[in-house]
Amino acid sequence: GENVEQHPSTLSVQEGDSAVIKCTYSDSASNYFPWYKQELGKGPQLIIDIRSNVGEKKDQRIAVTLNKTAKHFSLHITETQPEDSAVYFCAASLRDYKLSFGAGTTVTVRA
Amino acid sequence: KAGVTQTPRYLIKTRGQQVTLSCSPISGHRSVSWYQQTPGQGLQFLFEYFSETQRNKGNFPGRFSGRQFSNSRSEMNVSTLELGDSALYLCASSLGAGGPQEQFFGPGTRLTVL
Repeated sequence: GENVEQHPSTLSVQEGDSAVIKCTYSDSASNYFPWYKQELGKGPQLIIDIRSNVGEKKDQRIAVTLNKTAKHFSLHITETQPEDSAVYFCAASLRDYKLSFGAGTTVTVRA
Repeated sequence: KAGVTQTPRYLIKTRGQQVTLSCSPISGHRSVSWYQQTPGQGLQFLFEYFSETQRNKGNFPGRFSGRQFSNSRSEMNVSTLELGDSALYLCASSLGAGGPQEQFFGPGTRLTVL
């Protein structure tokens, strides 16, 4: 099955700085890569996703890049704000609709 | 549209008991997936249902089972509860056809096994 590794496990940034989270996946057949944000006491919320036929996608302050050759993808958050503090998960999916998740990154934005 | 709803939100059970959790997907979504979230193992896939049929299954013992009804609502059951079954159980819904796509999660059911 698919194996997803995520780094770093914790990330502390100053408000206004950028945050970058990186993930690698094992199965080259994976073709869908979503990112989720989970706040305390809530379920994961989809924030952005990318498919294998696209190299980069951006939505306001959030961007995701995908390198299929190296089998890694990254989340970039620019101009971080206190409300960006949460746990972020990357995931990868084969054609079988099952999501394999990374272990998560706890992001803390310091005011 | 209303989001994914899960009931109950919290449950406390004792070892050996069984439990049933419920999930109502977003209107129009036909796929429901279940995940277990624990601090040690993270988010792990349990199973996925589409049009009342189990389409995918993760690596969990047979004590974990589920079903889906004709209105796409889904239930999962855990029998003979063990302490290690304490976790947040999340369900996610998606349209379910045309390949992997956005999955929207509910708030989860927090199960504590004593």
